[in-house]
Amino acid sequence: EIVLTQSPGTLSLSPGERATLSCRASQSVSSSYLAWYQQKPGQAPRLLIYGASSRATGIPDRFSGSGAGTDFSLTISRLEPEDFAVYYCQQYGSSPWTFGQGTKVEIK
Amino acid sequence: EVQLVESGGGLVQPGGSLRLSCAASGFTFSSYWMHWVRQAPGKGLVWVSRINSDGSSTNYADSVKGRFTISRDNAKNTLYMQMNSLRAEDTAVYYCARSSYCANGVCSPSAFDIWGQGTMVTVSS
Repeated sequence: EIVLTQSPGTLSLSPGERATLSCRASQSVSSSYLAWYQQKPGQAPRLLIYGASSRATGIPDRFSGSGAGTDFSLTISRLEPEDFAVYYCQQYGSSPWTFGQGTKVEIK
Repeated sequence: EVQLVESGGGLVQPGGSLRLSCAASGFTFSSYWMHWVRQAPGKGLVWVSRINSDGSSTNYADSVKGRFTISRDNAKNTLYMQMNSLRAEDTAVYYCARSSYCANGVCSPSAFDIWGQGTMVTVSS
């Protein structure tokens, strides 16, 4: 099983600032089958990034993903008020599909 | 509109059973793998189970293996999860989600692009 470890647990930032979230895998994620999701309270997760760096349909270009192998990151270039949420990484290249424990981006 | 709608959640006693449903609309249900993902109150996302497009292949998390059964009815565009021998630690919101598209027998791994709104399962006496 591939274990995903996200850091930091919480990121306290102001609107307009840049956010960088990290996701480290316990073993190489095949073919960069790594996704990022955003979840707001009381809502289902929403796909942001797939294939480590491709934005899902309708996702603003302030969201970008990068990385390969075991180290991945999600960057939000300038935080908008609606971006404060919890973000999860996920690997979908092998069973069991696994998620990181999440990073909460909160308003400073 | 592409949509997944879960139902069937509720309060059940430890050791009891429950069947969740996930109704799909707006896409060719029979061409996609489907998954169940759960989220305990205040906790993160945990993958539970996956079924391939024709229902011939399934996978389960170790925590539910032997107790939960995923299935689908492509004629009814519906995904199911039969949950038996329920435990307090199964208490969670259960989401269904869509992943891999299959064409001509070839399925490529893909992220979970469509999610339902979730249904709450509470296991308590």
